[in-house]
Amino acid sequence: QKEVEQNSGPLSVPEGAIASLNCTYSDRGSQSFFWYRQYSGKSPELIMFIYSNGDKEDGRFTAQLNKASQYVSLLIRDSQPSDSATYLCAVNGGGGADGLTFGKGTHLIIQP
Amino acid sequence: DAGVIQSPRHEVTEMGQEVTLRCKPISGHNSLFWYRQTMMRGLELLIYFNNNVPIDDSGMPEDRFSAKMPNASFSTLKIQPSEPRDSAVYFCASMDSNQPQHFGDGTRLSIL
Repeated sequence: QKEVEQNSGPLSVPEGAIASLNCTYSDRGSQSFFWYRQYSGKSPELIMFIYSNGDKEDGRFTAQLNKASQYVSLLIRDSQPSDSATYLCAVNGGGGADGLTFGKGTHLIIQP
Repeated sequence: DAGVIQSPRHEVTEMGQEVTLRCKPISGHNSLFWYRQTMMRGLELLIYFNNNVPIDDSGMPEDRFSAKMPNASFSTLKIQPSEPRDSAVYFCASMDSNQPQHFGDGTRLSIL
């Protein structure tokens, strides 16, 4: 059974600092990796996706993937109070349109 | 562009009643997914369709749950009879080939 593990937090980070969120997955055949942000009472919103080993940057966000270690991370630079949310890591087996396996999320709090 | 549209946004009903949740995917998307989110279990895949055909329903909890996709622009998730443990937020998501999934606003279901 596919599993995605995240530290539930809360992770508290001062405003302006770098927030680092981590995720591990069990299925070595996983191909696609996603980070979604979810505000309380709202739906998941896609932040980043990554398919290849290494780093992928988009604005203040950087996704990092290490398939050998089965590890995905999300870095948020210059953290803002509006970044306070639950961050969900999701994994897809690849090969087309498969359903996602989600971690339970990390609750991030940015302290002003 | 209109996103994934779900209805109703909220549903409160008594145990034993039939519940029907509805989803309109983003136009042109060929895959549709139903997820359920609870505090205890997080976000779980229930079933997904590719080109209106059910591909994997292994996440459907039991026979009381059924899903249909009669055409490319509409899907339903039905629970009959409903039970209090079915209370959750149900999300529908859609995607185009090899692109990330986009989520609807969800239906918050409460079974009394």
